[in-house]
Amino acid sequence: GIQVEQSPPDLILQEGANSTLRCNFSDSVNNLQWFHQNPWGQLINLFYIPSGTKQNGRLSATTVATERYSLLYISSSQTTDSGVYFCAVSRRDNQGGKLIFGQGTELSVKP
Amino acid sequence: DSGVTQTPKHLITATGQRVTLRCSPRSGDLSVYWYQQSLDQGLQFLIQYYNGEERAKGNILERFSAQQFPDLHSELNLSSLELGDSALYFCASSVVHRGGTEAFFGQGTRLTVV
Repeated sequence: GIQVEQSPPDLILQEGANSTLRCNFSDSVNNLQWFHQNPWGQLINLFYIPSGTKQNGRLSATTVATERYSLLYISSSQTTDSGVYFCAVSRRDNQGGKLIFGQGTELSVKP
Repeated sequence: DSGVTQTPKHLITATGQRVTLRCSPRSGDLSVYWYQQSLDQGLQFLIQYYNGEERAKGNILERFSAQQFPDLHSELNLSSLELGDSALYFCASSVVHRGGTEAFFGQGTRLTVV
């Protein structure tokens, strides 16, 4: 099946720093989403981005589908950005849209 | 708020018992997905229903079953529970975009088997 790899697995930042998280996937996809899992366990939608670039405040994401990777940029990080960031994809030939998740990047932002 | 509602938020039960987790999808969404998040396996797809019919199956144990009702809410039934079933169980529903679907997740049910 499709493989999703995220890097780095862990990241520690000082408040105000910028970061880039990466997601590589092994096959063509028709859906790519970024989620933030907060310390309470909630999975929060950040981006639906099967291709192209999107921005939402301090966060932006870029997916290059032809090269099978996506990047999530976090600028001017805040302590509330702490948590685990997941990339998830569904295959182009998949019926139904089930998501395959990467193992996540655990981000800790220190004050 | 994603619009997907899961109950209960927390559940503590003993080994060998049976529990039912409930999910209401976002208004208008016909698909419901169940996922399990455990420390050793990460986030894994269990099963999907679309408008009352099973659509796709993942690594769901035979002790687990699900159904989607005519009002589109779904229930995940876990029986003969084992310590290893302790996990966070998520329900999601999805909206169709051109060429793909976008999933929205509920707050999850944290199951602890003791």
